[in-house]
Amino acid sequence: EAGVVQSPRYKIIEKKQPVAFWCNPISGHNTLYWYRQNLGQGPELLIRYENEEAVDDSQLPKDRFSAERLKGVDSTLKIQPAELGDSAVYLCASSPAGWDQETQYFGPGTRLLVL
Amino acid sequence: RKEVEQDPGPFNVPEGATVAFNCTYSNSASQSFFWYRQDCRKEPKLLMSVYSSGNEDGRFTAQLNRASQYISLLIRDSKLSDSATYLCVGYTDKLIFGTGTRLQVFP
Repeated sequence: EAGVVQSPRYKIIEKKQPVAFWCNPISGHNTLYWYRQNLGQGPELLIRYENEEAVDDSQLPKDRFSAERLKGVDSTLKIQPAELGDSAVYLCASSPAGWDQETQYFGPGTRLLVL
Repeated sequence: RKEVEQDPGPFNVPEGATVAFNCTYSNSASQSFFWYRQDCRKEPKLLMSVYSSGNEDGRFTAQLNRASQYISLLIRDSKLSDSATYLCVGYTDKLIFGTGTRLQVFP
């Protein structure tokens, strides 16, 4: 079974530039998550989708971050404009709907460096 | 104060050693707990769930003490391949990760 797919794997941009990350969850997983992991820290949830609906975006910095999950499958996370402090690994995860949401499967992440 | 706290380490142990990691949590409403393993520059992967009754998976034993809000992971007979960061995770309506404890097993 294919895992969570993310692209690109690495991205280097200059500050104030826009950047977008793409995620394809495991087939059949209704719930999709975006996390940010800073160096030396654990992942922190940015946004959670149930199908097309963003059900928890309380930790998403809405002034510069946006996300979408059209058709309830793939998702895109965008930063515009990027700041130096946005350098981190952006992880996408998915889980089946229902009680098993505790078990999440992570993609390999996109490592972002903002110069 | 972080909701889930861990000693970041690193723990440097020889092959064959037994090593224990501890974790404390502050949200008594946390329903479930897990240990995730994260290799260098890789994604986190679920290692095991943690139950009050304790659970064991091969060389790994996890324990939850709700009264003390304390979680532990014991690794017996350490292997070189156990070198990784171990993330303590609590779940309420979302996963809350600790900062991770780094383990380095040397020959």
